[in-house]
Amino acid sequence: GAGVSQSPRYKVAKRGQDVALRCDPISGHVSLFWYQQALGQGPEFLTYFQNEAQLDKSGLPSDRFFAERPEGSVSTLKIQRTQQEDSAVYLCASSLAAAGGSGNTIYFGEGSWLTVV
Amino acid sequence: QKEVEQNSGPLSVPEGAIASLNCTYSDRGSQSFFWYRQYSGKSPELIMSIYSNGDKEDGRFTAQLNKASQYVSLLIRDSQPSDSATYLCAVRAGTYKYIFGTGTRLKVLA
Repeated sequence: GAGVSQSPRYKVAKRGQDVALRCDPISGHVSLFWYQQALGQGPEFLTYFQNEAQLDKSGLPSDRFFAERPEGSVSTLKIQRTQQEDSAVYLCASSLAAAGGSGNTIYFGEGSWLTVV
Repeated sequence: QKEVEQNSGPLSVPEGAIASLNCTYSDRGSQSFFWYRQYSGKSPELIMSIYSNGDKEDGRFTAQLNKASQYVSLLIRDSQPSDSATYLCAVRAGTYKYIFGTGTRLKVLA
């Protein structure tokens, strides 16, 4: 597709439910990022993939959060046993090049809006 | 101290005026700086990137970088109501991690 595609766009989960959020990056993009954006805040880094390798998962808030990109294209962010504080927009972004160097622009998807009730 | 700081606003300017948005960062080793615009309910979109000290102009937008003062700014000339959005400053930390500020909400009054 032309841009980064995320699904579902909106998800309401009951506390304790598991959710899976999907990201389809721009075709051919090597780098893929997940960010969490709470209301009124800037995006917060969660994790980074270079192709299928998860090079950094330092931003994942707890072991309830898990991300994968098994074939180096589509990625899934899974949240187990959701809590109210997990309510946020989850943004996926991709960039053409591997990490490093100037000019490596990242492009964001529209986000998955998660509300935990 | 947050790694990237912005005034949350709102910053209100009349239509046709210059809007000035500011950002400071804490990592003196940072080399890459970005301004994103985010409309309510939408994803961030890149407006400008800047890597060298000085000014970089693109249409009505000018990014200014002062690494000695650890300061990045964005000027929007001839502001339009359609410029009303939240402007996010981002700094690339290390080789891939982008650190965002909380954003400044800009309101351009018709």
